[in-house]
Amino acid sequence: AQSVTQPDARVTVSEGASLQLRCKYSYSATPYLFWYVQYPRQGLQLLLKYYSGDPVVQGVNGFEAEFSKSNSSFHLRKASVHWSDSAVYFCAVSPPGNTRKLIFGLGTTLQVQP
Amino acid sequence: AQTIHQWPVAEIKAVGSPLSLGCTIKGKSSPNLYWYWQATGGTLQQLFYSITVGQVESVVQLNLSASRPKDDQFILSTEKLLLSHSGFYLCAWSRGPFNQDTQYFGPGTRLLVL
Repeated sequence: AQSVTQPDARVTVSEGASLQLRCKYSYSATPYLFWYVQYPRQGLQLLLKYYSGDPVVQGVNGFEAEFSKSNSSFHLRKASVHWSDSAVYFCAVSPPGNTRKLIFGLGTTLQVQP
Repeated sequence: AQTIHQWPVAEIKAVGSPLSLGCTIKGKSSPNLYWYWQATGGTLQQLFYSITVGQVESVVQLNLSASRPKDDQFILSTEKLLLSHSGFYLCAWSRGPFNQDTQYFGPGTRLLVL
């Protein structure tokens, strides 16, 4: 079945440390890939997206993600986290050529400790 | 710039009572519109999408219905609420009529059914 997996339900890092949040997908063809962030009691904000081309995509607030076709992954990274980055991060995928269908992972809760 | 509004911000309703949630997108003509549901602490599940006025596609059956009475308006409703309807309802939009574009989310409506 086509799906998206975020293996880490919760990640805790210290402020200033680097971050990687993992996302793996299971599709026969490369889907469109997205990372969204949800701050407490708010809607979702788009961090970045990948459709094709350079496998490293830059997003907002210093986030970037790297697409790996061989690993079927789209991991999110940040070089130095801030306490305000504490939120829930969702990886989402759409089948190739159809972004009306958006399938979300279970999310990773990021807690940044001062 | 496009803006998306959802109303109400929050609702507390009794089991068996009717429900109507609204979503309005301003600054974009003929958008694709979507409804999502998020259980407390859970992931997002797409419920409905609409590509034009009067047309709605159901993705998941949760004893809910949706309508698009105007180009900029999307309504989610039910005549009889269940406890399982509690959660966070998010409206999203994307550029239409093409099916390859990013979805942007509204602030959401929090629903508690007692």
